[in-house]
Amino acid sequence: GQNIDQPTEMTATEGAIVQINCTYQTSGFNGLFWYQQHAGEAPTFLSYNVLDGLEEKGRFSSFLSRSKGYSYLLLKELQMKDSASYLCAVREEGSYIPTFGRGTSLIVHP
Amino acid sequence: GAVVSQHPSWVICKSGTSVKIECRSLDFQATTMFWYRQFPKQSLMLMATSNEGSKATYEQGVEKDKFLINHASLTLSTLTVTSAHPEDSSFYICSAKGSGGGKPYEQFFGPGTRLTVL
Repeated sequence: GQNIDQPTEMTATEGAIVQINCTYQTSGFNGLFWYQQHAGEAPTFLSYNVLDGLEEKGRFSSFLSRSKGYSYLLLKELQMKDSASYLCAVREEGSYIPTFGRGTSLIVHP
Repeated sequence: GAVVSQHPSWVICKSGTSVKIECRSLDFQATTMFWYRQFPKQSLMLMATSNEGSKATYEQGVEKDKFLINHASLTLSTLTVTSAHPEDSSFYICSAKGSGGGKPYEQFFGPGTRLTVL
């Protein structure tokens, strides 16, 4: 089984930078995903990390440390539309489907 | 990109009735589809994995006689909530895995179906 932990809620100011952390425990790691989910909508894929390091994609970056069981999602130049829930999901060896964390609700205010 | 649709997008029903939710892959063949349930401010919980032409594999704690899954073709899977009760009210989301090409980790999510049981 897996144990995925991320903060329940965060707030930030438009234009700022925010880092959303995710820690996990798993018996055999096979990839970590970040998804964005607006209220009442399906998740949309943001990033996938399987090796240690930072993956940058526009305003969003995702970092992974397998030895520490730790990842973060970094959002730069925050916009109001970035207000959403951000889900960390971890996949175990031998499994295609990741297990989702509870998500971090990000509120961006002017 | 790959598109997955769900129908209906929302449904309200009386307690005791059955509700069918459809999940379709519009521009690709989905050998495997997944059904999730999400309660407010909770995580997505995998309910079952549906493979075309075979019986679905249910996660522990999910009643297969209550949540009937049929994956009759490579583009359609259905979830029927039988004898629905208010505690079944939730957001049901399907996702699909393509049969070839694409990234190995990719799954494409449908827009979800909001079920409210009165």
